[in-house]
Amino acid sequence: QVQLQESGPGLVKPSQPLSLTCTVSGASISSGGHYWTWIRQFPGKGLEWLGYVYYNGNTRYKPSPQSPISMSVDTSNNQFSLQLHDVTAADTAVYYCARGMVWSQTFDYWGQGIRVTVSS
Amino acid sequence: DIRMTQSPSSLSASVGDRVTITCRASQGISNSVAWYQQRPGRAPKLLLSAASRLESGVPSRFSGSGSGADYTLTISSLQPEDFATYYCQQFYTFPPTFGGGTEVEIK
Repeated sequence: QVQLQESGPGLVKPSQPLSLTCTVSGASISSGGHYWTWIRQFPGKGLEWLGYVYYNGNTRYKPSPQSPISMSVDTSNNQFSLQLHDVTAADTAVYYCARGMVWSQTFDYWGQGIRVTVSS
Repeated sequence: DIRMTQSPSSLSASVGDRVTITCRASQGISNSVAWYQQRPGRAPKLLLSAASRLESGVPSRFSGSGSGADYTLTISSLQPEDFATYYCQQFYTFPPTFGGGTEVEIK
């Protein structure tokens, strides 16, 4: 059974960086065939795709994000990560990691989500 | 970005009712639409992809249809566990985008 688990801080101060990690079990990131994805859900329930990282480190991000984004992969630990730089209150959301299909951008496995609040 | 507009934003229904949720894209998306169910406090769950392809383990009371820019999710006979929020998502063009959601409540 494929499982994903997010980890990271629940509270971040404005203008600080946010770093989240997703640990994958039951599947190997290095096997290819999937895009390892970050999606967030705002308090008003809207869902926003942020981007993905492939097993070889290739990335693709949402154009013109509110805060600069970077993603990375650690195949030795079967993890991938999201960094948001210079966050604002608009980045307050539940952050999900998810597995995306290469042939389509649909998401068949999701983590449970981690709630991140940006506040001083 | 392609805008996905769902309607209604919420509805009230009873167990056993037939429920239809609509999603309209801002342009044609050639059946490149997926539907998700989200129960409170949980992550979204993929129900259907490619407009009408049921994911493994999803009950057959869920079905999808549509073409061009207009797509529907139908629940043929609403069950207690179906009270949730439903989202459509297009994967026709980059970046993938989601509808605003339809909350299905108990009447």
